Amino acid sequence: EAQVTQNPRYLITVTGKKLTVTCSQNMNHEYMSWYRQDPGLGLRQIYYSMNVEVTDKGDVPEGYKVSRKEKRNFPLILESPSPNQTSLYFCASSLQREETQYFGPGTRLLVL
Amino acid sequence: SQQGEEDPQALSIQEGENATMNCSYKTSINNLQWYRQNSGRGLVHLILIRSNEREKHSGRLRVTLDTSKKSSSLLITASRAADTASYFCATASWQKVTFGIGTKLQVIP
Repeated sequence: EAQVTQNPRYLITVTGKKLTVTCSQNMNHEYMSWYRQDPGLGLRQIYYSMNVEVTDKGDVPEGYKVSRKEKRNFPLILESPSPNQTSLYFCASSLQREETQYFGPGTRLLVL
Repeated sequence: SQQGEEDPQALSIQEGENATMNCSYKTSINNLQWYRQNSGRGLVHLILIRSNEREKHSGRLRVTLDTSKKSSSLLITASRAADTASYFCATASWQKVTFGIGTKLQVIP
């Protein structure tokens, strides 16, 4: 089944404790992206990747890192989480940037 | 800033009625996409309409695109309670894909 998976689905952590949210797709898509969703603000792009080893900042990259060492994986790293990073995070992938995106189920993060 | 802006932000209708949501944008696009999100879940793609298309249908969904007015509309006909969800438009250009804030649709049985 074609899908985007994210782990963990729920995470409670404390300020400053490094964490990684994994994202994997099995559709051989070149483009992958991370979004955060906050009430009243819609989806905002954090980082995106056009292909392996090619990543770039989205609209709200501060406090986040990403890597794309393999085509299928695109982890999101929070080196020192802060409470303002409490949010619902989505990973998405598509054949190319402007094409239909396939979303993961979301990761709900609470930073205390 | 968000490229696509949906209107209205919230819509409540009776089951069986039609629901219309609008999306306006500011810059040139390659295509415009509509997505649906059930509460707290991942977005699901509904329809993609390219800049050279004016109308597209998929089941009970009808999407129009007017590039001269930089606007699109999503029509859901004969709505069902299961259509209750948030609907987002996303504008796609070579440089960027941008999502709007969404329209929250409630269909009352």
